[in-house]
Amino acid sequence: DAGVIQSPRHEVTEMGQEVTLRCKPISGHDYLFWYRQTMMRGLELLIYFNNNVPIDDSGMPEDRFSAKMPNASFSTLKIQPSEPRDSAVYFCASSLRGGQRHTDTQYFGPGTRLTVL
Amino acid sequence: KQEVTQIPAALSVPEGENLVLNCSFTDSAIYNLQWFRQDPGKGLTSLLLIQSSQREQTSGRLNASLDKSSGRSTLYIAASQPGDSATYLCASLNQAGTALIFGKGTTLSVSS
Repeated sequence: DAGVIQSPRHEVTEMGQEVTLRCKPISGHDYLFWYRQTMMRGLELLIYFNNNVPIDDSGMPEDRFSAKMPNASFSTLKIQPSEPRDSAVYFCASSLRGGQRHTDTQYFGPGTRLTVL
Repeated sequence: KQEVTQIPAALSVPEGENLVLNCSFTDSAIYNLQWFRQDPGKGLTSLLLIQSSQREQTSGRLNASLDKSSGRSTLYIAASQPGDSATYLCASLNQAGTALIFGKGTTLSVSS
């Protein structure tokens, strides 16, 4: 398997623009996670899905952030409008675990480095 | 609210040295404790996962221990190599199995 795939790897945009980050999880994994990593706050969970359904979005910082998972092989994280403080590395991860708990190892993608000017 | 702390933030050692990375967590009601490695510009790679009922896990030159009562975990690296240079993060999974909380990591540099 190619692992978790994220695109783009780098994104530079201007404040106010819409940004869409994409993720393809490992085939067969039923959990998908979006994280954000900054120097100040470290790695933070934004939202996670189980079988394409959003389970916990309490980490999403503001209404400007939204995430979707239209099918088992694709998810997007959208920021509209973007702000300079959104600059960070955004990671997608997936794991395989039936049931209610995502207790198995999470496999991370390479991340998308977002810079908002 | 669970807080995970890693000390030191950075560590430099000569090749061949044995070393210990520390991780502490405030809430002992965890499901498991995980150690990850992150290389510059890359995602995280899982190294070791210790279930709450376990005391330690080993993989090659790596050994991770868990002491829930004191809220501590350590990652021991034996005979360090330059290829071990990376950032090491620990993370605790809450008992409900719904939230993985990360420390900010220890950046390790091993010189040849």
